[in-house]
Amino acid sequence: AQSVAQPEDQVNVAEGNPLTVKCTYSVSGNPYLFWYVQYPNRGLQFLLKYITGDNLVKGSYGFEAEFNKSQTSFHLKKPSALVSDSALYFCAVRGSSGYSTLTFGKGTMLLVSP
Amino acid sequence: GAGVSQSPSNKVTEKGKDVELRCDPISGHTALYWYRQRLGQGLEFLIYFQGNSAPDKSGLPSDRFSAERTGESVSTLTIQRTQQEDSAVYLCASSLYAPKQETQYFGPGTRLLVL
Repeated sequence: AQSVAQPEDQVNVAEGNPLTVKCTYSVSGNPYLFWYVQYPNRGLQFLLKYITGDNLVKGSYGFEAEFNKSQTSFHLKKPSALVSDSALYFCAVRGSSGYSTLTFGKGTMLLVSP
Repeated sequence: GAGVSQSPSNKVTEKGKDVELRCDPISGHTALYWYRQRLGQGLEFLIYFQGNSAPDKSGLPSDRFSAERTGESVSTLTIQRTQQEDSAVYLCASSLYAPKQETQYFGPGTRLLVL
């Protein structure tokens, strides 16, 4: 069975500082990895995904994520955080082998202080 | 273009009543998904439709839950004899095609409260 772990319930960072939201996964076959963001009372918005190729994926709003196959990780990063980045972030994975649906982590709340 | 829309945005019901939630996918999207998000939890897969194929119902938590989709258009999720543990946000998503690497686009959700 595939799974996603987001080890931090909450990440606090000061505006202007770099941020990292962690994600590790377990799947059969190659992983397809996604990051979504959820603002209060809103649906999930797609940020970026890794399918194949370059391990560093760039997405919306200045976010990027680095795929690390040996560590089975797909951490979300941003060089300089904004207060408006404060939201709930979800990592999701789908394995290339066999039939599978998209499995989500429990989410990490990012709080950026002014 | 228009994104995924869901209605109602909020629904309060009494225990034991039936509720029907609606999802309008992005036009042209062949795949449609329903998820449940309980407070403080990740998304829980419920059901998946792909074109005219038989839906994947493997995530439905009980036989009180059912969903329908006509062709590649609107879908309805029905919960019969609602229980308090059904209280959650129900999210719908659609994708252009079904392959695993396709991005799913989410609606704003329906917040269901069962009293």
